[in-house]
Amino acid sequence: EVQLVQSGGGLVQPGGSLRLSCAASGLTFSNYWMHWVRQAPGKGLVWVSRIYNDGSISTYADSVRGRFTISRDNAKNTLYLQMDSLRVDDTAVYYCAKEDLGGNSELGIWGQGTLVTVS
Amino acid sequence: DIQMTQSPSSLSASVGDRVIITCRAGQPIGSYLNWYQQKPGNAPKLLIYAASDLQPGVPSRFSGSGSGTDFTLIIASLRPEDFATYYCQQSSSTPLTFGGGTRVEIK
Repeated sequence: EVQLVQSGGGLVQPGGSLRLSCAASGLTFSNYWMHWVRQAPGKGLVWVSRIYNDGSISTYADSVRGRFTISRDNAKNTLYLQMDSLRVDDTAVYYCAKEDLGGNSELGIWGQGTLVTVS
Repeated sequence: DIQMTQSPSSLSASVGDRVIITCRAGQPIGSYLNWYQQKPGNAPKLLIYAASDLQPGVPSRFSGSGSGTDFTLIIASLRPEDFATYYCQQSSSTPLTFGGGTRVEIK
């Protein structure tokens, strides 16, 4: 069974840092582009970042560019999101997601989500 | 950024009803449109990709159609487990963008 298991959320003060992790199992992790998507309390889904399967290229939403860094360790089957200079409006549940190979950038498998509270 | 507009934002329906949710893109996106279902406290689940392709394991009462700027998700006969929030998402270009969601509630 393909699984993405997240860790690393919590409470942090404005200006602080946090690193999220997303451990993959049941798949050849190095074959897939990976994403982070967030959801503020009671709000909709917002895409945050994407990284190529080999880690060579990463893309960010304007709201996090320069503050967040997506990375991956294919030897450890793990995706990361380093979040620096956190702001109150970064408070959200953060999901990692695997992009399927269908060619439509569909997010076929999601992690369970981890809550980040900036206060 | 490509804006995605869903309607309605919420609806009330009964078990057995046919439900139609629409999604409009701010510019043509071909068939680069995906649909997700999210239940409270859970991660989103992919239902439809490429506008009309059913994700394996998703019941056939769900269907999608459209291309260009206008898309539709149809639930042919609503079941109790379908009460949830539905999101469209364009994947034509980054940043990937989602619609605001449609909450399907029990009438």
